[in-house]
Amino acid sequence: SQTIHQWPATLVQPVGSPLSLECTVEGTSNPNLYWYRQAAGRGLQLLFYSVGIGQISSEVPQNLSASRPQDRQFILSSKKLLLSDSGFYLCAWDTFTGNTIYFGEGSWLTVV
Amino acid sequence: QKEVEQDPGPLSVPEGAIVSLNCTYSNSAFQYFMWYRQYSRKGPELLMYTYSSGNKEDGRFTAQVDKSSKYISLFIRDSQPSDSATYLCAMIRRDSGSRLTFGEGTQLTVNP
Repeated sequence: SQTIHQWPATLVQPVGSPLSLECTVEGTSNPNLYWYRQAAGRGLQLLFYSVGIGQISSEVPQNLSASRPQDRQFILSSKKLLLSDSGFYLCAWDTFTGNTIYFGEGSWLTVV
Repeated sequence: QKEVEQDPGPLSVPEGAIVSLNCTYSNSAFQYFMWYRQYSRKGPELLMYTYSSGNKEDGRFTAQVDKSSKYISLFIRDSQPSDSATYLCAMIRRDSGSRLTFGEGTQLTVNP
């Protein structure tokens, strides 16, 4: 069966520091991969999605970037964090024929 | 106007009650409909998935879709304290691949 791993689960970072969140999917090949953000008490906002290695689409201009160095690996990064980057970040995947997506456990980021 | 509207609640019910959660949408191109359950500080988990008008039942959960009126519902029978979570509706348009549009989520508390 397919599983998705996301880490770190929780982190507290100072303003201006870099960020790297990592996500890997097991048990499937060539998945579509997604990064969402969920602010406290709000819905899910799609940040990036990728249909293949090196192929990244950005949905919303951000202080963030994403990369897909391997088929089942998706990384969310920032060079300098802002206070507004605080939130719950979720990695998700589906197959190219899928009609729904599956989420990881999420990473809680607090920028102080 | 948001494409998907969902009452954020909070909704508080006694144990054993029937819970009704609803979403409305404005774009008739939405074709696939999902309900996710999200426990506090966890990633959303897929609860129900449907693509046709009518009812789909899974244990204590029933998903209802009315495409003519553009609304979907999730019913929970014999609600339990373990059902306390945020419930997110989501849907996919025919022309958007697998990029979901989410409702804001309804926070449900089932009191013992």
